[in-house]
Amino acid sequence: DIVMTQSPDSLAVSLGERATINCKSSQSVLYSSNNKNYLGWYQQKPGQPPKLLISWASTRESGVPDRFSGSGSGTDFTLTVSSLQADDVAVYYCQQYYSTPYTFGQGTKLEIK
Amino acid sequence: QVQLQESGPGLVKPSETLSLTCTVSGGSISSDSISNYYWSWIRQPAGKGLEWIGHFYTSGSTNYNPSLKSRVTMSVDTSKNQFSLKLSSVTAADTAVYYCARSSQHLAPIDYWGPGTLVTVSS
Repeated sequence: DIVMTQSPDSLAVSLGERATINCKSSQSVLYSSNNKNYLGWYQQKPGQPPKLLISWASTRESGVPDRFSGSGSGTDFTLTVSSLQADDVAVYYCQQYYSTPYTFGQGTKLEIK
Repeated sequence: QVQLQESGPGLVKPSETLSLTCTVSGGSISSDSISNYYWSWIRQPAGKGLEWIGHFYTSGSTNYNPSLKSRVTMSVDTSKNQFSLKLSSVTAADTAVYYCARSSQHLAPIDYWGPGTLVTVSS
């Protein structure tokens, strides 16, 4: 199984400041045949299911604010919230769908400082 | 807009079989327009992370997490627009919120999720 490791486990950022969450996979999730990274980012608020924010490492889903961005390739990825809003308080997960079983990172709790 | 809703017993006794159903609305599981979708089950113990249980394709192809494979069965009832999960020989470690979900294809992100249902394993 591909192990996904996120850092940090929790993060407190002031409103309007940048938040950065890292995700590392135990093997590359980049398919050389199509040059796509099989990596997604999800946001989960209390009592709700996860919501897909970013797919293919850097493609923002429809309706997701442009303050959310994803970057990285191969084994190292980053989710950035450029200007933190109160509504962004949540747990964020990365997920690889390069191979089954799909696996998730342990989650990063994002809070307001 | 596709919507998913889990249903089933909220309490299951140890050693018994957990059975959940996911009802799909806003589209048909077997219609041509969604015939390429993969339907998944994912679970989350309280306060913990997400575990992918497995998925199936409407043609009948299934793919289960090896950690649970010996205990998992997924099936579909296209006449009711439903798909199901059975997990046998449950223990307290199987207590979790169970989500049904959809991916647009094999090896793709999960784009639609049900709200989740809590299943507690206890005598």
